[in-house]
Amino acid sequence: DADVTQTPRNRITKTGKRIMLECSQTKGHDRMYWYRQDPGLGLQLIYYSFDVKDINKGEISDGYSVSRQAQAKFSLSLESAIPNQTALYFCATSDFGGDYTFGSGTRLTVV
Amino acid sequence: GQNIDQPTEMTATEGAIVQINCTYQTSGFNGLFWYQQHAGEAPTFLSYNVLDGLEEKGRFSSFLSRSKGYSYLLLKELQMKDSASYLCAKNSGYSTLTFGKGTMLLVSP
Repeated sequence: DADVTQTPRNRITKTGKRIMLECSQTKGHDRMYWYRQDPGLGLQLIYYSFDVKDINKGEISDGYSVSRQAQAKFSLSLESAIPNQTALYFCATSDFGGDYTFGSGTRLTVV
Repeated sequence: GQNIDQPTEMTATEGAIVQINCTYQTSGFNGLFWYQQHAGEAPTFLSYNVLDGLEEKGRFSSFLSRSKGYSYLLLKELQMKDSASYLCAKNSGYSTLTFGKGTMLLVSP
């Protein structure tokens, strides 16, 4: 089993719909992150969490929300999806030293 | 800002050596990562430099100069499978990473 599992792997949704991307990890790390990647661009940080009671906004949090349901679970929601949120989304975990493990990604298309 | 600059594209020939440069703002620096990413896949870890100097791992080496805000990734004996995007990422503290836009490397026969 993968250390960091993202579901779904691919999703097509309509403008205005609410959608949740889920992430679970077996690394035992406290720190979890959601990144977004657009074609030709690097990864941009959306939200991050250092423990269950800690949630922080990243560079591009507008239009997104997150929930840290447990140490192992960190979900990302788009309350009302719009086409420019079409992107590849990565969940990641890390230890204190920054040893990152990425999930396989969720390809989201908003039509 | 957290501008991290790296070339957009590079091309090289199989068996050759290529150096991918990365520059970053020195404020709030805690370390510099290099990742390899094939299209549509997750980034995979290549190296992490905290101190100045060169670190070698097989065909891949990474160099850091903290005072200059400069790093490079050196790939030797290039293989076709090395065609990928290479991401430079700055650890800005609290383990949050700021990524460059990536350098697309194309290795030709």
